[in-house]
Amino acid sequence: GENVEQHPSTLSVQEGDSAVIKCTYSDSASNYFPWYKQELGKRPQLIIDIRSNVGEKKDQRIAVTLNKTAKHFSLHITETQPEDSAVYFCAASKGTDKLIFGTGTRLQVFP
Amino acid sequence: DVKVTQSSRYLVKRTGEKVFLECVQDMDHENMFWYRQDPGLGLRLIYFSYDVKMKEKGDIPEGYSVSREKKERFSLILESASTNQTSMYLCASSPPRGYGYTFGSGTRLTVV
Repeated sequence: GENVEQHPSTLSVQEGDSAVIKCTYSDSASNYFPWYKQELGKRPQLIIDIRSNVGEKKDQRIAVTLNKTAKHFSLHITETQPEDSAVYFCAASKGTDKLIFGTGTRLQVFP
Repeated sequence: DVKVTQSSRYLVKRTGEKVFLECVQDMDHENMFWYRQDPGLGLRLIYFSYDVKMKEKGDIPEGYSVSREKKERFSLILESASTNQTSMYLCASSPPRGYGYTFGSGTRLTVV
């Protein structure tokens, strides 16, 4: 079955710097890759997603890139702010099938 | 706005007890999922269901069962709770041809 690896497990950045979180997946049939943000004590919420027919997607300060050949995708957050501090999860699925999640990255943004 | 409601935010149960975790969604979603969340392990899929009366095992089904008698409700059952089932349990739902989940707020279960 699908396996998703996520790195790093923790990431600390200064406010205003960029943050990058990387994920790799094992099943070449996977074609949907969402990212979820979970603030402390709250439920995970979808922040951005990408499908395999595009290589990059951007939404204001966040972007996701996908390399199908290498089977990896990344989340990029620019101009980080303290409210970006949270745990971020990547995931992969085949179409609308069940999501398989990575192990999470705890991002801390210091003022 | 899709709402996924988990009946309990915190639960404390004794070893050996039968435990029911309830999840209800109000948007007529076919797909429902149960995950457990543990530090360093991410979200691991326990069971899922694509329709009423239907269930499929996820990656870690041992010690759990589920029930989906109505479309809106998906119950996770711990037949005989053990301390290694102490965890945060998250329910999620999605439409049949839609992308992305909506999660419930989670149930933090402690088994003593």
